[in-house]
Amino acid sequence: NAGVTQTPKFRILKIGQSMTLQCTQDMNHNYMYWYRQDPGMGLKLIYYSVGAGITDKGEVPNGYNVSRSTTEDFPLRLELAAPSQTSVYFCASSTVQGRNTEAFFGQGTRLTVV
Amino acid sequence: DQQVKQNSPSLSVQEGRISILNCDYTNSMFDYFLWYKKYPAEGPTFLISISSIKDKNEDGRFTVFLNKSAKHLSLHIVPSQPGDSAVYFCAASARGGATNKLIFGTGTLLAVQP
Repeated sequence: NAGVTQTPKFRILKIGQSMTLQCTQDMNHNYMYWYRQDPGMGLKLIYYSVGAGITDKGEVPNGYNVSRSTTEDFPLRLELAAPSQTSVYFCASSTVQGRNTEAFFGQGTRLTVV
Repeated sequence: DQQVKQNSPSLSVQEGRISILNCDYTNSMFDYFLWYKKYPAEGPTFLISISSIKDKNEDGRFTVFLNKSAKHLSLHIVPSQPGDSAVYFCAASARGGATNKLIFGTGTLLAVQP
C-alpha cells in the first residue's frame, strides 16, 4: 500500500542546474498536485492536474513545469534552479468521488539550491 | 492575499487538557474544510473535515467546529496527548469548476507537554 511516492527525498542543486522531482501514486486518483512549503509558511500550490494530459497553474508556477502522461505519474521539472526555489516540495493526489475528499501526500523532497 | 489564516504560529498545552487550534478564511465560496497534521520529515496526513452544511464534526478526540457567519473554524483535541505534538494545517476548498484545489493556512505548531 504505497500511496504517493516521491523521489528523491533530498537534493542539493547548484544555481542554473535542472532536475526533475518524481511523483507516482497507486490509488488511481484523477487529481494530482505539487505544493511547496517554505519555512513558517503554508503549502503553496505550484501546479495541478485533473487527469492524464491535463495540467494547470497554481499560485506559484514560475520556474517550474509539469507533465501528466499517465494517471500514476506527475513529475515536476525545474529548468534553471534559483535560490528562491529552496523549499520542501510535496506531491499529493485525490479522487473526485463524492466531490469532497481529502488529498493524500507524499513524504516530501527537500531541495536546496546553492 | 492569504485566503486561509492561522494566526497562532504555536500553541503549548499540558497533557490531558484541551487544545484549540483556530483558522479564519476570507473566501465565502469555500464550502469544505479540512485539518491536516504534519510530523517533521513527513508529508501532511488528513485528520478531519467538515462540509459547510454542518457546524460540527466529531471523530474520537478530535472535533471541528465551523462558524460560517464569522468565517471561522476551530479544531478541538480532548484530551491532548504528547503524540499530538505536530504542525496542524487548516485547508479549504470551493465547489464549482473542474478541480478541488486545497488552499492551506500557514500552520500552527502544537506542543503537548507531558
